[in-house]
Amino acid sequence: EVQLVESGGGLVKPGGSLRLSCEASGFTLSTYNMNWVRQAPGKGLEWVSSISTGSNYIYYSDSVKGRFTISRDNAKNSLYLQMDSLRAEDTAVYYCARDEGPSGNFWGVDYWGQGTLVTVSS
Amino acid sequence: QSVLTQPPSASGTPGQRVTISCSGASSNLGSNYLYWYQQVPGTAPKVLIYRNDQRPSGVPDRFSGSKSGTSASLAISGLRSEDEANYYCAAWDNSLRWVFGGGTKLTVL
Repeated sequence: EVQLVESGGGLVKPGGSLRLSCEASGFTLSTYNMNWVRQAPGKGLEWVSSISTGSNYIYYSDSVKGRFTISRDNAKNSLYLQMDSLRAEDTAVYYCARDEGPSGNFWGVDYWGQGTLVTVSS
Repeated sequence: QSVLTQPPSASGTPGQRVTISCSGASSNLGSNYLYWYQQVPGTAPKVLIYRNDQRPSGVPDRFSGSKSGTSASLAISGLRSEDEANYYCAAWDNSLRWVFGGGTKLTVL
C-alpha cells in the first residue's frame, strides 16, 4: 500500500525556518517524481515545488522561489522541503504528493499524504 | 486568480447527474493530462480521474471525465450524499509548473 507521511510542521515566527519531511513507503521512491502542494485555511490547492527522480529537474512556484528548497534522499525513501524566511501567507497545510509521470516528465499526482500544518505567526 | 477556471459551486439532488467544467489554455489542458481530485473538508485530496478520463480502482463508475482541447469536465451520475465535497482540476503547464482550478464546492440538496 502506498503511503506518504509528512512531518515537521508547527508554529514558527515570521522570518523563521522549518524543514518538512515526507516518508514514503509501499513503493520505490527513486522511480517517481515528487511534489509539495499546500492549502491555506479555507482556500484551494496551491502547487509549491516539484522534483524529478534524480533531482535533475527542480521547479518552484514564484511565491516560494528563493525561500524554499526541495530535496530528496532516495536511499532513505524521503522527500524534504526546507522553508526559510517564512511569512504569514505561508500558513497552510503542506501535502507531499507523488507524481505518476516518468522521470523528468510531470503528469499529475496519483497519491497524496495526509498533510502537515505550518502556522507562521508572531 | 487560478490558472484553470472552474465554477465555484454546483449542486444537485440525489440521483441526479451533475457536471463540473474546467477550462485552461494550450499550455496546460491543451497539451498535458488533466486530473480531477475530490477533497472532503478536513481530509487530504484523493484522485478521482487521472490522465483525462481514467478512473482509479475503487472510484465508482458514477464518476467520469472527459477532455477536449483546452476544456474538460467531470460528470457525476446518480448523485449521492457522500459526493458532497470540493472538486479540483489540475494539469502540468509547459511553463514548468503545476496549475490548479480554484475548486468547485458540490452540494447535494
